[in-house]
Amino acid sequence: EDQVTQSPEALRLQEGESSSLNCSYTVSGLRGLFWYRQDPGKGPEFLFTLYSAGEEKEKERLKATLTKKESFLHITAPKPEDSATYLCAGSSNFGNEKLTFGTGTRLTIIP
Amino acid sequence: DVKVTQSSRYLVKRTGEKVFLECVQDMDHENMFWYRQDPGLGLRLIYFSYDVKMKEKGDIPEGYSVSREKKERFSLILESASTNQTSMYLCASSRPGEGQPQHFGDGTRLSIL
Repeated sequence: EDQVTQSPEALRLQEGESSSLNCSYTVSGLRGLFWYRQDPGKGPEFLFTLYSAGEEKEKERLKATLTKKESFLHITAPKPEDSATYLCAGSSNFGNEKLTFGTGTRLTIIP
Repeated sequence: DVKVTQSSRYLVKRTGEKVFLECVQDMDHENMFWYRQDPGLGLRLIYFSYDVKMKEKGDIPEGYSVSREKKERFSLILESASTNQTSMYLCASSRPGEGQPQHFGDGTRLSIL
C-alpha cells in the first residue's frame, strides 16, 4: 500500500530562521512527488512536481529536493506570509493518476 | 490560471437527506477528483473521473456516488447523509499524464446534523 508520511506535524519558526520539512514515501513506481501549500479555509495550491532522485526545484524562498525515499522542502529566511500547511503527495505507476497525500506540516512564522 | 469552482463554501444538512456537491472547472481538463479532508487523516480520494460519463472508485467510496455528464462539471452525491460524512470536501482537476498537478477548488465545509 502506498504511504506518504510528513514530519514534523507542526513547526514554529522565527522570521528569518531557515528550516526543512520532511516527506518520506513508499509509493510503488513513483511517477511524481508533489508539494502543495494550503492556507486556512482554502484548497491546496500547487507548488512543485519532482520526478527523479536528485532533482531540485525552487520558488522564491522554497526549494524542494527528492531522494529515493524522501523529499525535503527547504524554507530559507521565511516571512510570516509563508505560514501555511504544506502537503506532500505521491503518484504511482499503478495508481491511475491518483495521488496519495501526507497529513501535512503546519508551519507558523513568528514576526 | 486554472479555476475550479465549488458551488457552496458551507452547507448544513440533516441525516438521511440526499446531498449534492457541485464542482466546475474552466480549463478543459479531462481528469476530475473528489476528496474529503479530515484532521489527522489528510486528503482521501472518494471518486475520480478521467472522461465524461466515466468514473472510478477511490479509497473511500462507500456512501457516495458521482456524476459527470459534461466535461467541465463533476458532482458528488451523498445518497443518504450521515453524521460521519461531516467533513471538508475538495474537488480537483488535472490534465492526463505523468506528473500533471491537480488543481483544487476552495472546498465545501459540509455539516450533517
